[in-house]
Amino acid sequence: AQSVTQLDSQVPVFEEAPVELRCNYSSSVSVYLFWYVQYPNQGLQLLLKYLSGSTLVKGINGFEAEFNKSQTSFHLRKPSVHISDTAEYFCAVSVLSYNTDKLIFGTGTRLQVFP
Amino acid sequence: IAGITQAPTSQILAAGRRMTLRCTQDMRHNAMYWYRQDLGLGLRLIHYSNTAGTTGKGEVPDGYSVSRANTDDFPLTLASAVPSQTSVYFCASSDSSGRTDTQYFGPGTRLTVL
Repeated sequence: AQSVTQLDSQVPVFEEAPVELRCNYSSSVSVYLFWYVQYPNQGLQLLLKYLSGSTLVKGINGFEAEFNKSQTSFHLRKPSVHISDTAEYFCAVSVLSYNTDKLIFGTGTRLQVFP
Repeated sequence: IAGITQAPTSQILAAGRRMTLRCTQDMRHNAMYWYRQDLGLGLRLIHYSNTAGTTGKGEVPDGYSVSRANTDDFPLTLASAVPSQTSVYFCASSDSSGRTDTQYFGPGTRLTVL
C-alpha cells in the first residue's frame, strides 16, 4: 500500500532563515510526487511536482524539492523564507487506483515564519 | 477566470438534515474530486468523477453521494448529516484523470453538524 509521511506537524522558523519540510513515501511501484500549499482560509495550490527526469524540482515562490529514490523521500526546501510563506504544506503521492488517478496526501506541516 | 467556486462558504447544520454542497468549475476539466480535510488527517478523498456521467468512490464515501450531470458541476450531498461529518470540504478538478495532472482546488466549505 502507498502512503505518505510528513514527519513534522509544525515547523517554526525566523524570517530569512532556511527551511526544510520533510516527506517520506512508501510505494512498491513508481510514483509521482507533489507538494501543495494551503494559505490561511484558502484551498490548496500546487507548489511543484516530480514526474521524471532531474531529481531536483523547482517550484513557485523559490521552493524546491529533491526526489531521493533510495531514501524514498521528497523533502521541500527554501533557502530564505518570508513571512508570506506561513501556510500549511502538504506532500502527496499519485497512484493508479482502479481506473482513476488518486492523490494520497500527507497530514500536512504547518510552517510558521516569525519576524 | 474564477476557476472553482464552492457554495456555501460555511454552514451550520442540525444532525439528520440533508445538505448539498455545490461545486462549479469553468476550466472544462474532465475530472473532479471531493475531499474532506480534518485536523491531523490531511485530505481524504470522498468521491471522484473521471468525466461527466461517471462517478466513483474514494477513501471515505459513506454518508455522501455525488452526481455529475455535466462537465462543470459536481455537487456533494449529505443525505442525513451526522456530527462526524463536521469538516472542511474541498472540491478539486484536473484536466484528466491521469496520474501526472495537477489538481486545482476550490476555496472550501466549512461545515459544522450539531
